[in-house]
Amino acid sequence: QQQVKQSPQSLIVQKGGISIINCAYENTAFDYFPWYQQFPGKGPALLIAIRPDVSEKKEGRFTISFNKSAKQFSLHIMDSQPGDSATYFCAASRSYNTDKLIFGTGTRLQVFP
Amino acid sequence: GAVVSQHPSRVICKSGTSVKIECRSLDFQATTMFWYRQFPKQSLMLMATSNEGSKATYEQGVEKDKFLINHASLTLSTLTVTSAHPEDSSFYICSAADRPYGYTFGSGTRLTVV
Repeated sequence: QQQVKQSPQSLIVQKGGISIINCAYENTAFDYFPWYQQFPGKGPALLIAIRPDVSEKKEGRFTISFNKSAKQFSLHIMDSQPGDSATYFCAASRSYNTDKLIFGTGTRLQVFP
Repeated sequence: GAVVSQHPSRVICKSGTSVKIECRSLDFQATTMFWYRQFPKQSLMLMATSNEGSKATYEQGVEKDKFLINHASLTLSTLTVTSAHPEDSSFYICSAADRPYGYTFGSGTRLTVV
């Protein structure tokens, strides 16, 4: 119940294309769903996050789509750039800021020029 | 924005020695801090949750006597790897949490035990 399943494991996209990463969870008590970007040797950095009371959130080229009934959420990166090449993690927690974040398994994104 | 400073960024130690990693919230007070461990090309695995002034809560399978966590103030938490062995070599990352900043991660510490 604590797991967050993430797919695909790796993704190759051409510059300008759309990158889509999917996550699924089981614990209905989760109420905060962030996405993190991590470069090699660095800590994860928050990209965008969503709460279950909205179905979509957009910030620049990054969009989260959230399907509460299916217990799934996804990250869309529009106009993907080589600088977006990194590992992306979805995560979930039961209580924003006070409860632990459970991370997905990660997706390694490579964007080719 | 919120900043979490983690030191050292890299450390090499001999087997059997202890290593301390510091995590500081620079411009906010962190009620809760989390420590994660990450093996190469794998996800972040939570090791423990610590609240200022109280004992840390360890995840199942994490040896609390080996990974000592101290959260003595609202801006500082430390992780001490005691009697380190090569299998403890990993990337350790802290995260500080407080409203309204959310979860802020440190830059990580690469521990190599030789």
